[in-house]
Amino acid sequence: QVQLQQWGAGLLKPSETLSLTCAVSGGFFTGYSWTWIRQPPGKGLEWIGEIDHGDNTKYNPSLKGRLSLSIDTSKNQFSLKLSSVTAADTAVYYCGRGRMPDWWGQGTPVTVSS
Amino acid sequence: QSVLTQPPSASGTPGQRVTISCSGSNSNIGTNTVNWYQHVPGTAPKLLIYSNYQRPSGVPDRFSGYKSGTSASLAISGLQSEDEADYYCAALDATLNGPVFGGGTKLTVL
Repeated sequence: QVQLQQWGAGLLKPSETLSLTCAVSGGFFTGYSWTWIRQPPGKGLEWIGEIDHGDNTKYNPSLKGRLSLSIDTSKNQFSLKLSSVTAADTAVYYCGRGRMPDWWGQGTPVTVSS
Repeated sequence: QSVLTQPPSASGTPGQRVTISCSGSNSNIGTNTVNWYQHVPGTAPKLLIYSNYQRPSGVPDRFSGYKSGTSASLAISGLQSEDEADYYCAALDATLNGPVFGGGTKLTVL
């Protein structure tokens, strides 16, 4: 069974950088794209972006300029960095396998507050 | 405001059949396949239906998906208490060049 285990800081101040990492086990890592999705409190799911094993990325235009995705195929991990966070970035962040994920991480709650 | 439109809530009694709708547009559901996810808050979302109607291994055949034009639906028959969760539809969107989601439907088993 594929497992995605994610971690990162859960409390940030405005203007700081959000960093999350997702480790994949139990399945192939190469050959897939890897996705980040978030859910703000009381709202629906929002696609953040994706990266593949060739380091090709696609970003949600609403976050472009602040977002950076990276991948480490040697560790079967991929990461997200979102700079200059504001309260609007408060959400539960999920990592997933595939453009339309078939496997998801457990979610990391992130709060941005001064 | 989510790109795909779902009813915020649905309910049924054990054994009943419930249907959850998902409405989109030509840039998403109209041209791409639909996935459905089951999400119990605090846990990882689970893929229920992919490619409009396909079920991953392990998903009971009580769950079925249907798509027509720019709309899709998820049907759950033989409702069980364990089906109480939030359900989301999703489809790739040509404008976004990524997936878009419905706002979620909270299913209550009475």
